[in-house]
Amino acid sequence: DAGITQSPRHKVTETGTPVTLRCHQTENHRYMYWYRQDPGHGLRLIHYSYGVKDTDKGEVSDGYSVSRSKTEDFLLTLESATSSQTSVYFCAISERVDYGYTFGSGTRLTVV
Amino acid sequence: GNSVTQMEGPVTLSEEAFLTINCTYTATGYPSLFWYVQYPGEGLQLLLKATKADDKGSNKGFEATYRKETTSFHLEKGSVQVSDSAVYFCALTGWNNRLAFGKGNQVVVIP
Repeated sequence: DAGITQSPRHKVTETGTPVTLRCHQTENHRYMYWYRQDPGHGLRLIHYSYGVKDTDKGEVSDGYSVSRSKTEDFLLTLESATSSQTSVYFCAISERVDYGYTFGSGTRLTVV
Repeated sequence: GNSVTQMEGPVTLSEEAFLTINCTYTATGYPSLFWYVQYPGEGLQLLLKATKADDKGSNKGFEATYRKETTSFHLEKGSVQVSDSAVYFCALTGWNNRLAFGKGNQVVVIP
């Protein structure tokens, strides 16, 4: 299997606290993506990266920030978690978009 | 921009039945097309893909043909099993090195 891991797998946090989710890859792929998946909304892109220190916003970026200081790690931070950010978060990697993505196993985040 | 449309609603069928999930797309240029599958509690996995018109992608008994004339990439399987119960997503290459995904279809196979 492609080397992509997400951590933690599950997290419960309180409203207003900062939360960081980690995506780690061992494939040396250039592109990395963060999505959230919610019932009725499918997959929605939060942020993506096309190289170290090169990131851009997706369609639902408000309340989220990202950092990529190394090729292998892409961090997603919720600066001040809200209940509307309760979701399943997926990271994906790609060498070339026409090759498709490889997804991680997801992080289930609950904000109470 | 490039986008895909999947048929509305879940699909429920009996074991050994024929499965079709419709996917149509809108695109400029010549996108690559994909089907992904998501089993319960897991991430999405690439099921099959096609990169040019008339290409047929196939894997695990599933097939889809890239039809430029009808802008479609319908997923088919001749005889489904309970283990095929999952959510299926159609996708295509969009702009700026991103994939555009459909909403997904829940498939439930009853023994």
